Amino acid sequence: NAGVTQTPKFQVLKTGQSMTLQCAQDMNHEYMSWYRQDPGMGLRLIHYSVGAGITDQGEVPNGYNVSRSTTEDFPLRLLSAAPSQTSVYFCASSTGTGRGGAPLHFGNGTRLTVT
Amino acid sequence: GQQLNQSPQSMFIQEGEDVSMNCTSSSIFNTWLWYKQEPGEGPVLLIALYKAGELTSNGRLTAQFGITRKDSFLNISASIPSDVGIYFCAGSSGTYKYIFGTGTRLKVLA
Repeated sequence: NAGVTQTPKFQVLKTGQSMTLQCAQDMNHEYMSWYRQDPGMGLRLIHYSVGAGITDQGEVPNGYNVSRSTTEDFPLRLLSAAPSQTSVYFCASSTGTGRGGAPLHFGNGTRLTVT
Repeated sequence: GQQLNQSPQSMFIQEGEDVSMNCTSSSIFNTWLWYKQEPGEGPVLLIALYKAGELTSNGRLTAQFGITRKDSFLNISASIPSDVGIYFCAGSSGTYKYIFGTGTRLKVLA
C-alpha cells in the first residue's frame, strides 16, 4: 500500500535551473496539493488540484507550476530555481468529497537545496 | 499568510508525564486535524475532529475541538520515548485549504 509517493527524496540545484518534483498517489484521491515546509513557518500551500484538469493557486504559488493530467499524478515544476526555494516539499492528497475537510495524507517529502 | 498559533513551541518532559498542547485561530474552522512528524518523514495523521466540542481519542492521545470553533487541544498521556517528534495542528473552514500551525517539538527524557 504505497499511499503518496514523492521523488526524488533529495535534490540540489543551481540558481536558474529548472526541475520537476514528482508526486503520485494510488488511493484514487480527487484532491492533491503541494506544500513547502520552512523552519518556524509551518506548512504553506503552493498549488492544489480538485481533479484531473483542474488546478488552482495556494498561498505561495510564485515560481512554481503544476498540471494534473491524471488522477494519480500531480507534478510540481520549478521554472527557474532561486535560493529562496530551498525547502522541504510535501505532496498531500485527500478523498475530496466536495465539502472539503477530508484529512490530508502526506508523502515523505523532497528536500531541495538551491545554491 | 494566515497561520495558526500553536503552543508551546517546544517542550521537554519526563517519560511518564502527560503532555498538553493547543492551537488557536482568529477564524472559525469546521475541521481540526492533528499530525505528528518524525525526522525525514512526512506528517502522519493522528486525529481528525469535525464537530465543536468533539472529544476523540487514539490510544494515549486525546484531542478536542473547542466549542468556540477557534481552538483545539491535544493531550498525550503517560508519554514514552517514541512520542518524540513535531506535532502539528491544521484547520479548515470547509474548503480544501488547510492552514497549519508552526508545530510543537516534543522531546521525552527517559
